[in-house]
Amino acid sequence: LAKTTQPISMDSYEGQEVNITCSHNNIATNDYITWYQQFPSQGPRFIIQGYKTKVTNEVASLFIPADRKSSTLSLPRVSLSDTAVYYCLVGVFNTGFQKLVFGTGTRLLVSP
Amino acid sequence: NAGVTQTPKFRVLKTGQSMTLLCAQDMNHEYMYWYRQDPGMGLRLIHYSVGEGTTAKGEVPDGYNVSRLKKQNFLLGLESAAPSQTSVYFCASSQTETKNIQYFGAGTRLSVL
Repeated sequence: LAKTTQPISMDSYEGQEVNITCSHNNIATNDYITWYQQFPSQGPRFIIQGYKTKVTNEVASLFIPADRKSSTLSLPRVSLSDTAVYYCLVGVFNTGFQKLVFGTGTRLLVSP
Repeated sequence: NAGVTQTPKFRVLKTGQSMTLLCAQDMNHEYMYWYRQDPGMGLRLIHYSVGEGTTAKGEVPDGYNVSRLKKQNFLLGLESAAPSQTSVYFCASSQTETKNIQYFGAGTRLSVL
C-alpha cells in the first residue's frame, strides 16, 4: 500500500474553499485514491474516489495530476458542519492485502 | 436504510472478561471488516472477511477472534479482555467490486478496567 502524507490540521472559515493535499509518491498503477470524512463519535464516511484527472460529486472535487503522486480534495464553501477529520487512502484492497491504513488524517476546523 | 449496525454502542469490561461485538449489514456486501481506533490515531484493521465462512488477519489481530457464519453478520470476540483493548471499534462492509468504498457503523466504545 502506498504511504500517504497529509497535513495534520487545517483551519478555515465558513464560506471559504478548502483544499487538502495528500502526497502518495509510491502509488502503484492499479491504485485508486479514496477520501473519507469522519465526524466525532461516528464512523468514517466515503466522500470521493478517483484514479486520474478530476472527479466531482455533490460533496467535493478530487484533483489528481498526471503523475498521480499527489491528490487534492477540494471542499467548496465550507460550513461549520464540515469540521471533521479527512482521510486519504491509496490502494486496492485484495484478498492477500492485510494493511489497509487510514493514517491519522487531516483535522479540519471551520470557524464562523 | 439501516446500513451497518453495531451492537452494543458502549461496554465496560473488567480485565479478563470476555465479550462479543456484533456487526450486521443489510446491503448484501461480501466484504466485512473490523477496525479499532485509538485517540489521535487512524483506524487499524483487526480482521476482515471476504465472504461467508472466511476470515483473515489484519494489522492488529492479537487478542481478537472473529466469525462470519452468515453473510450479513461479522462477530468480533475478545476472549480475555485487557486494558490495552480499550478503544472504539468500527465495523465496515464493502462490495466486492468497490473494495475501497467501505460503509461504516457508528462504532462501539469499549473500556476495559
